Amino acid sequence: GENVEQHPSTLSVQEGDSAVIKCTYSDSASNYFPWYKQELGKRPQLIIDIRSNVGEKKDQRIAVTLNKTAKHFSLHITETQPEDSAVYFCAASKGGSYIPTFGRGTSLIVHP
Amino acid sequence: GAVVSQHPSWVICKSGTSVKIECRSLDFQATTMFWYRQFPKQSLMLMATSNEGSKATYEQGVEKDKFLINHASLTLSTLTVTSAHPEDSSFYICSAPRGGEIYEQYFGPGTRLTVT
Repeated sequence: GENVEQHPSTLSVQEGDSAVIKCTYSDSASNYFPWYKQELGKRPQLIIDIRSNVGEKKDQRIAVTLNKTAKHFSLHITETQPEDSAVYFCAASKGGSYIPTFGRGTSLIVHP
Repeated sequence: GAVVSQHPSWVICKSGTSVKIECRSLDFQATTMFWYRQFPKQSLMLMATSNEGSKATYEQGVEKDKFLINHASLTLSTLTVTSAHPEDSSFYICSAPRGGEIYEQYFGPGTRLTVT
């Protein structure tokens, strides 16, 4: 089955800095890669996603890049703010199947 | 966006009792729903796939007789933790895909279960 590795497990940055979280996947058939943000005790919220036919996608301060050849994708957050502090999960899933395989999560801490 | 609700949001029960958690899709129909378990500071672990009108599919290592899943309608799935023990204490989250070409899953707010 699919295996998703996520790094780092913890990321601490100063407000205004950029943050990058990286994930790799094992199944070349995976074609959908969402990123979720989860605040303590709350549900995961989709913040951005990318399909395998696209190499990069941007939404304001967040962007995701995908390298299908290397089977890795990354989340980039620019101009970080304290409210960006949360746990971020990457995931990968195949076409026709809605079940994503989640990475272990990255705890992002943005210091004011 | 689509809305998925869960009830209760938190529950405390005694060892040996059973607890039922409901997951509802409020503005769309979901033939499939997923149940996850999340321990503190850990990732979401898929427990089972709930299928409307048929038996649930359980992930390896998940006891189907302990975690009973019923998907009685296109908008409701229930997870019953039977004979709960302290080690069952966890955050349980359901999710539902809205279907079509959209692979996005919509998560419920989660249920915090504490077994004393």
